[in-house]
Amino acid sequence: RKEVEQDPGPFNVPEGATVAFNCTYSNSASQSFFWYRQDCRKEPKLLMSVYSSGNEDGRFTAQLNRASQYISLLIRDSKLSDSATYLCVVKLMDTGRRALTFGSGTRLQVQP
Amino acid sequence: DADVTQTPRNRITKTGKRIMLECSQTKGHDRMYWYRQDPGLGLRLIYYSFDVKDINKGEISDGYSVSRQAQAKFSLSLESAIPNQTALYFCAIGTGGGNEQFFGPGTRLTVL
Repeated sequence: RKEVEQDPGPFNVPEGATVAFNCTYSNSASQSFFWYRQDCRKEPKLLMSVYSSGNEDGRFTAQLNRASQYISLLIRDSKLSDSATYLCVVKLMDTGRRALTFGSGTRLQVQP
Repeated sequence: DADVTQTPRNRITKTGKRIMLECSQTKGHDRMYWYRQDPGLGLRLIYYSFDVKDINKGEISDGYSVSRQAQAKFSLSLESAIPNQTALYFCAIGTGGGNEQFFGPGTRLTVL
């Protein structure tokens, strides 16, 4: 089983739509959670951190459910420029693994 | 200028050749990482370094070696390249908090 699992998509949505992605993680010792964005053939970049109480950044809302071990990302009023792959990222509390674990990503295509 | 640079950006080589990928940064961060990205598998950690004298294996270090020549430079070597090392390689840097990583533009390596 992968440590971080995501639906690969693609999610094809029209401009203005609301779309949500989920991600599940297997290690209950996971400490920190993030969403990164990766454009085609480009490097990943941090989109937002995910806090236990949920957090919002403009059109983007991230939520964490520790009991069920999943993270979600909601994008409202989708723009063409939101087309990208969204990577779910988890950081373990175990100090022997002092790095981030990346999901394989969910591809979003926003259509005019 | 970019915070993290990688050279070369593209490389085609033959099985058995020795290859070195170089990474340099201008942000002064202590932590540096090498990842490879394959379709459907996401980013996987090869090696990481928390300072010049601290080198650690990641989840897929076999067939690779690294050198941290200075705080700003971290090189990845393939001693004898094989076709299944064909991938997109990213260097990343991070701070002591370890929550955000900044990625270089990537090196696309093809081993024939």
